[in-house]
Amino acid sequence: QVQLVESGGGVVQPGRSLRLSCAASGFTFSNYIMHWVRQAPGKGLEWVTTIWYDGSNKYYADSVKGRFTISRDNSKNTLYLQMNSLRAEDTAVYYCAKDFSNYFDYWGQGTLVTVSS
Amino acid sequence: AIRMTQSPSSFSASTGDRVTITCRASQDISTYLAWYQQKPGKAPNLLIYAASALQNGVPSRFSGSGSGTDFTLTISYLQSEDFASYYCQHYYTYPLTFGGGTKVEIK
Repeated sequence: QVQLVESGGGVVQPGRSLRLSCAASGFTFSNYIMHWVRQAPGKGLEWVTTIWYDGSNKYYADSVKGRFTISRDNSKNTLYLQMNSLRAEDTAVYYCAKDFSNYFDYWGQGTLVTVSS
Repeated sequence: AIRMTQSPSSFSASTGDRVTITCRASQDISTYLAWYQQKPGKAPNLLIYAASALQNGVPSRFSGSGSGTDFTLTISYLQSEDFASYYCQHYYTYPLTFGGGTKVEIK
């Protein structure tokens, strides 16, 4: 069965960096586009970024462009999100999600990132 | 970016009710629309894709319709486990965007 397990969340000061990971299992990771989606406390869902099967294409929301970088290691079945220059408004639960034609058919349980001094 | 507007943002209903949630896109997205259910503290769960296709394992009381700019999610007979938040999402082009969500509460 498909499993996505995020890790790396925590409390970080504004302006600092954090890297999230998402360990995938139960499917052929290298065959699928992957995404990060976030949800601020008490708010709705926001797509953050997408990476192609082989990492050749990446897309970012304007809110994170230039600060966040998505990457993947297909040999380790792992998706990453490098978050730099973090702001208070980046506080959210971050979900990794498996793609099926640009919608999300499987989601991880999420990891909470809190940006606070 | 394509803007997705859901209505209502919340409402109360009773078990057994038929409920409808609407989602409007700011431009034509054909049928590139998905619906998700989210319960408190949990990840979203895919219900509907391609505007009207039911995801495997989702009860048949859920249905979706629409094309172009106007879409609906209908729950034909509300069950206790259906009290949750619902989100639409377009996947016509990047950036992908979600509606603001609809919370279905117990009356």
